[in-house]
Amino acid sequence: SYEVTQPHSVSVSPGQTASITCSGDKLGNKYAYWYQQKSGLSPVLVIYQNTKRPSGIPERFSGSNSGNTVTLTISGTQAMDEADYYCQAWDSSTVIFGGGTKVTVL
Amino acid sequence: QVQLVQSGAEVKEPGASVKVSCKASGYTFTSLDINWVRQAPGQGLEWMGWMNPVGGSSGSAQKFQGRVTMTRSTSINTAYMELSGLRSEDTAVYYCARAQRGYDSGTYLYYFDYWGQGTLVTVSS
Repeated sequence: SYEVTQPHSVSVSPGQTASITCSGDKLGNKYAYWYQQKSGLSPVLVIYQNTKRPSGIPERFSGSNSGNTVTLTISGTQAMDEADYYCQAWDSSTVIFGGGTKVTVL
Repeated sequence: QVQLVQSGAEVKEPGASVKVSCKASGYTFTSLDINWVRQAPGQGLEWMGWMNPVGGSSGSAQKFQGRVTMTRSTSINTAYMELSGLRSEDTAVYYCARAQRGYDSGTYLYYFDYWGQGTLVTVSS
């Protein structure tokens, strides 16, 4: 079955850039999506179709897709961005989630 | 505005079944799939399956086949997820989520743009 892999954790200083990767076989041929989940809350879509931002999501969130890796980038990271981030793909009629990356703003 | 409002927390004994509801508002309920995703304490997101409200067709992850039933009532814009044969490992927060799907530039898209608030299901004797 298809799998995508994320780093367990990423640390970033306020105002710096955080990059979260998600890797999977031929992931570049699919669309990838990113969800932010703050403690105790439901997930929120922050990037869809690799690079698009839903209404209301700050411009500091961006996405890219190349080869077997997709990347969520948070530019000028703020304390409010501390959360778990999950990538998601679709393969063979199945939704696949990555294991999640905990972003800590130090 | 789009809302998905789920039923309240449940406590069940091992071997029992649980049925969680998800009431949709703010859009045409029959136009988009409803999916179910769960999250065990301290763990990541786990996809369970999808349900198309038009005809009621559904599909589930292999792990849940034979144990999960997804249904709907179009008259009250509500989706349901029933999980049977509960065991302690099923203790989790269960979310419903609305799915966007289709094709763009020849590539299939399927993702969740709205989520319910979650329902905690605790399995304990």
